[in-house]
Amino acid sequence: KQEVTQIPAALSVPEGENLVLNCSFTDSAIYNLQWFRQDPGKGLTSLLLIQSSQREQTSGRLNASLDKSSGRSTLYIAASQPGDSATYLCAKGSTLGRLYFGRGTQLTVWP
Amino acid sequence: GAVVSQHPSRVICKSGTSVKIECRSLDFQATTMFWYRQFPKQSLMLMATSNEGSKATYEQGVEKDKFLINHASLTLSTLTVTSAHPEDSSFYICSAMGRLFTEAFFGQGTRLTVV
Repeated sequence: KQEVTQIPAALSVPEGENLVLNCSFTDSAIYNLQWFRQDPGKGLTSLLLIQSSQREQTSGRLNASLDKSSGRSTLYIAASQPGDSATYLCAKGSTLGRLYFGRGTQLTVWP
Repeated sequence: GAVVSQHPSRVICKSGTSVKIECRSLDFQATTMFWYRQFPKQSLMLMATSNEGSKATYEQGVEKDKFLINHASLTLSTLTVTSAHPEDSSFYICSAMGRLFTEAFFGQGTRLTVV
């Protein structure tokens, strides 16, 4: 059974803080690891995709790392802004393109 | 990235009726499409995988006779929720992959409410 766990479940921080969101997964057979953002009542926005052969990816203020041996990924958000408020989902990709999602971290950044 | 369009975005139906949700790849040929379901405050759960021209593969615990998936062309997959009940109310979202793609692209999702 594929299990993806995200910690913390919720996070509330003042604007400007640097954040770390954690994701762990079972079964070391991984094709890729993807981080998404979901706004209330909306679909998914892909943030970063790390292939199994890679260790990290960066996009603007976001940096995601992947450690297959320990079954962990982290999403680092630098200098958080109120617009970053959303639910962040971690998903483990299998060889066939299937994604197994964690329950997400609900982030609130207050001004 | 590639564009995937899902329709409708919201639908309300009466208990016992069927509702069809469409997922289209607009600028690429989708050899594989995936359907997910998300209950309130829960994660997205993979329901099934469909490959063009063949029967869908359902995840454990998903009723294939209740959730009919058709992937008859390289740009369209449909999910039909048959004899819908209030417990089927959920957010349904599709994703699609092309032959040489390394990731799937998501539609906007459909909020289904069964009354």
